[in-house]
Amino acid sequence: ETVLTQSPATLSLSPGDRATLSCRASQSVGTFLAWYQQKPGQSPRLLIYDASNRATGIPARFSGSGSGTDFTLTISSLEPEDFAVYYCQQRSNWPGTFGPGTKVDIK
Amino acid sequence: EVQLVESGGGLVQSGGSLRLSCAVSGFTFRSYALSWVRQAPGKGLEWVSGISGSGAGTYYADSVKGRFTISRDTSKNTLYLQMNSLRAADTAIYYCAKGSFYGDLIFDFWGQGTLVTVSS
Repeated sequence: ETVLTQSPATLSLSPGDRATLSCRASQSVGTFLAWYQQKPGQSPRLLIYDASNRATGIPARFSGSGSGTDFTLTISSLEPEDFAVYYCQQRSNWPGTFGPGTKVDIK
Repeated sequence: EVQLVESGGGLVQSGGSLRLSCAVSGFTFRSYALSWVRQAPGKGLEWVSGISGSGAGTYYADSVKGRFTISRDTSKNTLYLQMNSLRAADTAIYYCAKGSFYGDLIFDFWGQGTLVTVSS
């Protein structure tokens, strides 16, 4: 089973800052990696699929990059609604494991 | 509009059983894989089980293999999760999630979740 690790666990930033979140896989997943955002009391929302493709309706300030074992989610300029928990997930094979999450909170 | 509505959660004793349902609408049911993803209180997401669009393929996390059974009823546009031999560690919000055009495990729509509490 592919294990995903995310860093940092918590990122404390201010609105307007650039956020860089990391996800590392225990073995290559190619580009089969997605990113989800979850706000308190809400279901997760798909942001990025296959490493760098924005899902429908996702603002351009969200971008993803990487391949193999190292991936990055970048939020170019944080909006107030972006403070949330972000999960990466691999779909290289069943099960589609998730990372432990990175919480982006307000500094 | 795509909708996934879970039901069937509740309080059950350790060793007991529960069946979750997820009624879906707004897309061609048999064309997409569906999964159950859970989230223990204050914890991260854990994929639990998935089923292909045809229903021919079923997949389970090691933590539930042999205890949970996933199924789908095309006539009712409903996904199920039969959970047996429940443990305290199964306590979580259970989400139903739809696979996307781009991949069975790319979840583009999620339900609101149903809470399962297993008392020891």
